[in-house]
Amino acid sequence: AQRVTQPEKLLSVFKGAPVELKCNYSYSGSPELFWYVQYSRQRLQLLLRHISRESIKGFTADLNKGETSFHLKKPFAQEEDSAMYYCALRKGGGNKLTFGTGTQLKVEL
Amino acid sequence: EPEVTQTPSHQVTQMGQEVILRCVPISNHLYFYWYRQILGQKVEFLVSFYNNEISEKSEIFDDQFSVERPDGSNFTLKIRSTKLEDSAMYFCASSEESYSYEQYFGPGTRLTVT
Repeated sequence: AQRVTQPEKLLSVFKGAPVELKCNYSYSGSPELFWYVQYSRQRLQLLLRHISRESIKGFTADLNKGETSFHLKKPFAQEEDSAMYYCALRKGGGNKLTFGTGTQLKVEL
Repeated sequence: EPEVTQTPSHQVTQMGQEVILRCVPISNHLYFYWYRQILGQKVEFLVSFYNNEISEKSEIFDDQFSVERPDGSNFTLKIRSTKLEDSAMYFCASSEESYSYEQYFGPGTRLTVT
């Protein structure tokens, strides 16, 4: 069975500092990995997915199959980045998402 | 921009009662999903639905749960006899197709079972 682990419940950084939200997964096949974000009082929304290989709002994430990781990074945190971030996995050809427990990112001034 | 909508935003019910949670997926989407999140825990998949039948369900989705698309727009989750442990946020999602397509989430319905 697939599993997603986000070791940090809360990550607090200062504005302008680099951010790294950790995500590790376990799955024997070829997964699709996603980062979802939930801003205060808003719905879950897709931030980025590994197959797109794009940067959204300055965030990037690289799938490392050797380390089974998909860490989310941003070089300079902004106040508006404060939100709950969920890493999620979908097995190849499937449709259900398996989520991690989420990391609350707090960007302080 | 089209969005998934859910009603009600908060439902309080007594243990043993039936509840129906309603969702209106995005109109051209073909796949529909229910997830739930118990307070302080992860978002968990319940069920996916395509072409008027369940395509996948989790072990959580037992005989107490059912889903239906009663008309061309609504997608419902019914819990027949609610238990205290059913208290959670329930999210509906939809996607144009299944794999490789983004799932769009609704704002959620908070279900409180007393």
